[in-house]
Amino acid sequence: DVKVTQSSRYLVKRTGEKVFLECVQDMDHENMFWYRQDPGLGLRLIYFSYDVKMKEKGDIPEGYSVSREKKERFSLILESASTNQTSMYLCASGLSAGVRSETQYFGPGTRLLVL
Amino acid sequence: DAKTTQPPSMDCAEGRAANLPCNHSTISGNEYVYWYRQIHSQGPQYIIHGLKNNETNEMASLIITEDRKSSTLILPHATLRDTAVYYCIVRVADRSGGSNYKLTFGKGTLLTVNP
Repeated sequence: DVKVTQSSRYLVKRTGEKVFLECVQDMDHENMFWYRQDPGLGLRLIYFSYDVKMKEKGDIPEGYSVSREKKERFSLILESASTNQTSMYLCASGLSAGVRSETQYFGPGTRLLVL
Repeated sequence: DAKTTQPPSMDCAEGRAANLPCNHSTISGNEYVYWYRQIHSQGPQYIIHGLKNNETNEMASLIITEDRKSSTLILPHATLRDTAVYYCIVRVADRSGGSNYKLTFGKGTLLTVNP
């Protein structure tokens, strides 16, 4: 059974704090993603990684950075949390490009509140 | 990716089949139809995908019309736990990488399964 886990389901942080969100997958997938989901705005891609130490910016990378030191782990870092980063954060993983390999498997999500 | 149209909400009685429609009249020949769902406060879950043939797995069946302009997701025996927002996505499966991999969810259909 596929498994994507995220370090926290709920998190409360203060403005200016550095926040680490961790994601681990056990499917040996090359691709990993960080999205945020907000009411009325749908799913938005923050960063994407297609291999260890490789990353690409998504649509809304400002205020975020990522780290992929090991294939199974993809971390999202909020350098200095702000209230507009209050959101549901979703991690996903998937195989490399190819027919029938585009399915993405999501973690349970982390609901972050920045005060 | 081609645009999709889904009804905003549907109801279904527990134990009955739930048939969720999706229109994708601008679909092109190399685009797959994917279905995901999202149960409240959880991460999205992959259900099924197909190109032109009907597909079935342990969760659902996907019926794609011959002209591929529409499809129907069928949950054969809906349970209360199937209450969720269901998203129909049309996208090219073979991509060159980067944020081409991102999933874009529309508003989806809120399926409510009633006892």
